[in-house]
Amino acid sequence: DAKTTQPPSMDCAEGRAANLPCNHSTISGNEYVYWYRQIHSQGPQYIIHGLKNNETNEMASLIITEDRKSSTLILPHATLRDTAVYYCIVRTTGTASKLTFGTGTRLQVTL
Amino acid sequence: DAGITQSPRHKVTETGTPVTLRCHQTENHRYMYWYRQDPGHGLRLIHYSYGVKDTDKGEVSDGYSVSRSKTEDFLLTLESATSSQTSVYFCAISTGTGSDEQYFGPGTRLTVT
Repeated sequence: DAKTTQPPSMDCAEGRAANLPCNHSTISGNEYVYWYRQIHSQGPQYIIHGLKNNETNEMASLIITEDRKSSTLILPHATLRDTAVYYCIVRTTGTASKLTFGTGTRLQVTL
Repeated sequence: DAGITQSPRHKVTETGTPVTLRCHQTENHRYMYWYRQDPGHGLRLIHYSYGVKDTDKGEVSDGYSVSRSKTEDFLLTLESATSSQTSVYFCAISTGTGSDEQYFGPGTRLTVT
């Protein structure tokens, strides 16, 4: 699975959009981009995934560049409860392919 | 939330003792996974299962064994616990098909003294 690069930390004011970048320049054609987050010491939580089209669900939006070498997770109206470590993971699907977690981005949402 | 429970949630044990952690799911998912998480590291895969009695190693499997005799239960055993196995252990499940997102349990905090 391709390696990803994320900034170690970011801050965001409550109510504002949080834009979390991820670089995955070695991604291959059959690999998807997944985002998970981990709030404090809880188990990781699946957020969203995509292949090449932008995706949106009730939690977030995922913007993938046309060359697929980078992506951005957008939390449109961040709240204090969105404070967490966010992991960007690139992997294939349809198999028990393992999730390779890096160190992620620690997002701090402040008042 | 996906129906995943882990037991115990916290355990303190002595070096050299055997320890078994249990993961139980009510989703009937085919795949189950055990991860550990340590400070400064992301989650690292220990073992996974792709069906009853079907298991395989992850990247940090030394010192651990697993068993899956029923779809709903996946056991992680430390045959002789060491201090380096002090960690938080997470179980996860997935269907193994489609988008195959993994759903995680609440974790077990294990301390080996």
